[in-house]
Amino acid sequence: NAGVTQTPKFQVLKTGQSMTLQCAQDMNHEYMSWYRQDPGMGLRLIHYSVGAGITDQGEVPNGYNVSRSTTEDFPLRLLSAAPSQTSVYFCASTMGRGGIQYFGAGTRLSVL
Amino acid sequence: AQTVTQSQPEMSVQEAETVTLSCTYDTSESDYYLFWYKQPPSRQMILVIRQEAYKQQNATENRFSVNFQKAAKSFSLKISDSQLGDAAMYFCAYRGGFTSGTYKYIFGTGTRLKVLA
Repeated sequence: NAGVTQTPKFQVLKTGQSMTLQCAQDMNHEYMSWYRQDPGMGLRLIHYSVGAGITDQGEVPNGYNVSRSTTEDFPLRLLSAAPSQTSVYFCASTMGRGGIQYFGAGTRLSVL
Repeated sequence: AQTVTQSQPEMSVQEAETVTLSCTYDTSESDYYLFWYKQPPSRQMILVIRQEAYKQQNATENRFSVNFQKAAKSFSLKISDSQLGDAAMYFCAYRGGFTSGTYKYIFGTGTRLKVLA
């Protein structure tokens, strides 16, 4: 089973560039989310989705967009990258109400 | 709003000894779940243990167990017979929002566990 597939694993951007982090899951989970992980700050929720066509903002949504056209895919878009967006990004999908999250392998993003 | 607090940024334990990681949370909800996740140097997030708030019995998974004190809003993780492979960052997490339909996860800031040989 592939689980949650997140690409790319590493990325370097210049300030002002845009890019999309891809996330796909093959477990038919309704709930998906994007986090960023910064030293000393744990995982902070950027955006989440409770099903296809439904997205909402998390704790730190500014500078990021998401869409959920299918159950499987939940891409995260950086519109105009800034050095403050240098971080490790995780995508996760959640099984049912009981809430076990399955995480992708993470993307280390550096914005110069 | 719900919050999760891990007050120990770093802990050390001798191999084969027992260590307890602390977590407190704040919520007005009665229906929620609590989790401990482990993040080794590989960066992969791994579920360690899960507790349902309406269950009074503390969850146990092999060498890992929790002390869930609902009234005190405390959820500590005990690791028995610590092994070198237990060295990792440990995150406490809360999931609620069932009434509001948000179902959001909230993570603590993590505790880095070092295991000494």
